[in-house]
Amino acid sequence: DTAVSQTPKYLVTQMGNDKSIKCEQNLGHDTMYWYKQDSKKFLKIMFSYNNKELIINETVPNRFSPKSPDKAHLNLHINSLELGDSAVYFCASSERSAGGRGEQYFGPGTRLTVT
Amino acid sequence: GNSVTQMEGPVTLSEEAFLTINCTYTATGYPSLFWYVQYPGEGLQLLLKATKADDKGSNKGFEATYRKETTSFHLEKGSVQVSDSAVYFCALWDNYGQNFVFGPGTRLSVLP
Repeated sequence: DTAVSQTPKYLVTQMGNDKSIKCEQNLGHDTMYWYKQDSKKFLKIMFSYNNKELIINETVPNRFSPKSPDKAHLNLHINSLELGDSAVYFCASSERSAGGRGEQYFGPGTRLTVT
Repeated sequence: GNSVTQMEGPVTLSEEAFLTINCTYTATGYPSLFWYVQYPGEGLQLLLKATKADDKGSNKGFEATYRKETTSFHLEKGSVQVSDSAVYFCALWDNYGQNFVFGPGTRLSVLP
């Protein structure tokens, strides 16, 4: 069974469109994340979320919004897509509660291309 | 704030060469330290970890020792293979501040 899964793997869309990327984890973790990886492989955290708090990286445009229907899912919704949003987006999860060592488990990534 | 610094890449080695990728960190507390590997077209995988000073993490022939006195966690492998070609990320988990920080990544290319 895949621990952290994302769909779709590839997403090609036009500027101005709205799109969503789905993420699911079956590890029972309490916290999920979204990262953006640019062409130079630099990882930028966008959000971290558990059932108590959402932490937003202040540099993330408000066109990006995480939506969590339950503890095992954290979807990423993007409004009014721009060329600069083209990147690979990774979902991850970890156990942050007492005793958790914080290591994160990553999904396979979604390559978003905006034309 | 917390930060992780890695040696700049790309690092290019011949097969069976010795590998060192340097990693140093800044943290307010006593972090756990990690190395992640990203193979082409894939997500990040946890390679090894160490949770306290002097711990040595090891996996798949890779090793790294948590050195508190030098705030370092250098990744080493005695004999690299072409299949080790990937991007390697050093990272820390600050349990006190509850945040996870990645380094910028180091690309390794191993030539046959």
